[in-house]
Amino acid sequence: DTGVSQDPRHKITKRGQNVTFRCDPISEHNRLYWYRQTLGQGPEFLTYFQNEAQLEKSRLLSDRFSAERPKGSFSTLEIQRTEQGDSAMYLCASSLDSLRGREGDEQFFGPGTRLTVL
Amino acid sequence: RKEVEQDPGPFNVPEGATVAFNCTYSNSASQSFFWYRQDCRKEPKLLMSVYSSGNEDGRFTAQLNRASQYISLLIRDSKLSDSATYLCVVNNFNKFYFGSGTKLNVKP
Repeated sequence: DTGVSQDPRHKITKRGQNVTFRCDPISEHNRLYWYRQTLGQGPEFLTYFQNEAQLEKSRLLSDRFSAERPKGSFSTLEIQRTEQGDSAMYLCASSLDSLRGREGDEQFFGPGTRLTVL
Repeated sequence: RKEVEQDPGPFNVPEGATVAFNCTYSNSASQSFFWYRQDCRKEPKLLMSVYSSGNEDGRFTAQLNRASQYISLLIRDSKLSDSATYLCVVNNFNKFYFGSGTKLNVKP
């Protein structure tokens, strides 16, 4: 399977604990995005990487959140001191900056990590 | 104001019906546009990109109206398998904004 993969698929944690999620993008894709989705809402942009550089962070991403993509391949999203409001589906997506213009910058999503904070 | 707004529905239609969804966006400088489909408890999957000239893929037609800042999706001859949530997506300088989605239920 050459799609986007995420690990773990489910995570249950207690409030105050730290959690880390991993995303492996499609291998030739140079862009990687993190989103958060809650019930009844569309995905909300959190941050994105172009290769290993983190180019944009949403105001939604508090100081408790940090993301890395150290070698421009897989990425990790860490949440420190989790709160119940962090419970959500965390989605990763990747795309290829093909330099052919803005039309067609499709993103491909992984299956997500569902986080439950008790 | 939200970047992208959609009617949440649900749209309940019989098989074979034609159904249309609209979506409005707030940033006139938005660069690219998409429709994604999301099944319950699954990840979003690209349905189609929306090109300036409009585009068609089988039973699906997408159109873009930059002057009025809206995007539409038309589904003809609805199938039971079309039941899902349809997400409108707008790209603003590599930040992708999703609408809340429009739920479609196709009934036999």
